[in-house]
Amino acid sequence: DGGITQSPKYLFRKEGQNVTLSCEQNLNHDAMYWYRQDPGQGLRLIYYSQIVNDFQKGDIAEGYSVSREKKESFPLTVTSAQKNPTAFYLCASIPTGVPNTEAFFGQGTRLTVV
Amino acid sequence: AQKVTQAQTEISVVEKEDVTLDCVYETRDTTYYLFWYKQPPSGELVFLIRRNSFDEQNEISGRYSWNFQKSTSSFNFTITASQVVDSAVYFCALSEARGDSWGKLQFGAGTQVVVTP
Repeated sequence: DGGITQSPKYLFRKEGQNVTLSCEQNLNHDAMYWYRQDPGQGLRLIYYSQIVNDFQKGDIAEGYSVSREKKESFPLTVTSAQKNPTAFYLCASIPTGVPNTEAFFGQGTRLTVV
Repeated sequence: AQKVTQAQTEISVVEKEDVTLDCVYETRDTTYYLFWYKQPPSGELVFLIRRNSFDEQNEISGRYSWNFQKSTSSFNFTITASQVVDSAVYFCALSEARGDSWGKLQFGAGTQVVVTP
């Protein structure tokens, strides 16, 4: 079945560590997105990539980094510079060039700083 | 800048009651897309409905219906005859059609719907 796979489902990070969240899709979508969700808030865009080897900052990119070396993969690294990383992270993808299409979401990764 | 407001934080209903979720948006673009997503306790976002800015026809799909009014920048969503399985957080989202903004979603804060038997 086609879809988006995020791993791990739960992740614990110690202070000062970098951690990488995985996002893989087999939908052949060009565009991929990372969103952050905090309790009681909507999702906020961290980074997005509309094509391989290219990505753009979203609204809250500070303390995060991404890469897009393959069409199907868009990993997110939460660096030690991110002061408040505890949150729920969701990855999404959309087929570029298809108007009015909905985004497909993964099941999310819950990151906790310990 | 675009903005989506969901003023209702939580709505509690008894099963079989109707639930209407409010959504008000702001955008400078003339072409945009509006969405409703459902987030059950498991966490993933499930797409429910979409509407183009140039199509104000309101529709019904099963127990879901929506009321899109450009004049008031509102995109309200109704669940008819609610069921316990409808308990979730519901998000309204806006996407602009410009190339560099393609697919970027601006979300509201979400409305928690609690349906009790």
